[in-house]
Amino acid sequence: QKEVEQDPGPLSVPEGAIVSLNCTYSNSAFQYFMWYRQYSRKGPELLMYTYSSGNKEDGRFTAQVDKSSKYISLFIRDSQPSDSATYLCAMSDGGGGADGLTFGKGTHLIIQP
Amino acid sequence: DTGVSQDPRHKITKRGQNVTFRCDPISEHNRLYWYRQTLGQGPEFLTYFQNEAQLEKSRLLSDRFSAERPKGSFSTLEIQRTEQGDSAMYLCASSLQTGITFFGQGTRLTVV
Repeated sequence: QKEVEQDPGPLSVPEGAIVSLNCTYSNSAFQYFMWYRQYSRKGPELLMYTYSSGNKEDGRFTAQVDKSSKYISLFIRDSQPSDSATYLCAMSDGGGGADGLTFGKGTHLIIQP
Repeated sequence: DTGVSQDPRHKITKRGQNVTFRCDPISEHNRLYWYRQTLGQGPEFLTYFQNEAQLEKSRLLSDRFSAERPKGSFSTLEIQRTEQGDSAMYLCASSLQTGITFFGQGTRLTVV
């Protein structure tokens, strides 16, 4: 079992829909949780960052962390075709070094116009 | 541009040749990371520097790979005697102590 599990998709939804992306993890030492968006042949772009459990909202994006269930989510409201990309979850124990970030495989999201 | 900068963006090389990539991190970031990403996978950690010191190397980093960060500023990643299995996107990232990590656009290596 990998440390971070993420459904690779593809996930296809109509424009305007609410999108839910999820990751599960096994390492209870993780306390920093990030979501990255990656367009084809580009580097990952940091979207959301959350420390420990709870919710964080930024515009159309909401990140949720449930450490008791080892489960994190990213919600995208009013999805747009420009949101079509691969979304990667990433986690860290906060040391910032050692193994750096541990990533999921990424979910390929397609927003249909 | 105040983000992480990588050069070149794309490199095509023949098997057996040596290649070197450069990364310029965000200026105030003391931590610098190299990751490798293959198609359909998330980035995998290769190595990390705190200032000029290389503090950790993944077992993915074979003896043919070497990284440096002289003076704690830019970093280079060299691959010697390239193999077709080295074809991947090589990503550089930087962060402060809090662990929020920013990535560059990557160098896409193709070994033919």
